[in-house]
Amino acid sequence: ELKVEQNPLFLSMQEGKNYTIYCNYSTTSDRLYWYRQDPGKSLESLFVLLSNGAVKQEGRLMASLDTKARLSTLHITAAVHDLSATYFCAVDIGPGGTSYGKLTFGQGTILTVHP
Amino acid sequence: NAGVMQNPRHLVRRRGQEARLRCSPVKGHSHVYWYRQLPEEGLKFMVYLQKENIIDESGMPKERFSAEFPKEGPSILRIQQVVRGDSAAYFCASSADSGNTIYFGEGSWLTVV
Repeated sequence: ELKVEQNPLFLSMQEGKNYTIYCNYSTTSDRLYWYRQDPGKSLESLFVLLSNGAVKQEGRLMASLDTKARLSTLHITAAVHDLSATYFCAVDIGPGGTSYGKLTFGQGTILTVHP
Repeated sequence: NAGVMQNPRHLVRRRGQEARLRCSPVKGHSHVYWYRQLPEEGLKFMVYLQKENIIDESGMPKERFSAEFPKEGPSILRIQQVVRGDSAAYFCASSADSGNTIYFGEGSWLTVV
């Protein structure tokens, strides 16, 4: 059974600081998503990482994927309050190792950015 | 450019009633997924459908739950004889192809009283 584990699960940051959220998964996959969820809201797609070594950046967020280590990271640079949310990684893998949108989610990381 | 549309957004049902959740995918998307977010349990895959076909229902509870995506109209997730444990947020998602980015709807929050 595929397991996806995020850490930390809770992250309290000061504005202006940097930090990294880690996402480990147990089965080979070439497709990994990062989503953001605000309380009571839907999931906003942040990044789709499709190959080993993929790196994508958007504003203060940067995501990377190491398929050999089965590890993805979400790096936050100079955090601001607006980044406070829950962040999920999700691995797309179905029967036989195919990718077709069957996402297995990590537990989520609750990020709080305070002054 | 409408995204994934779900309704109702909030639904209250008494134990034993039926709940029907509707999902209209992004225009042109033929792949629909349903996920459930239970309190304290995170997001779990339920079912993957293409037009008129169930492709993968490995995450659906064996009883009381069913899903369809007819040739015309929205996808429907149906829960019969609801129990308190069915209270959750149900998210629909869609993609243009099985290998493309998956977009989530706003969710339907079901409360069983």
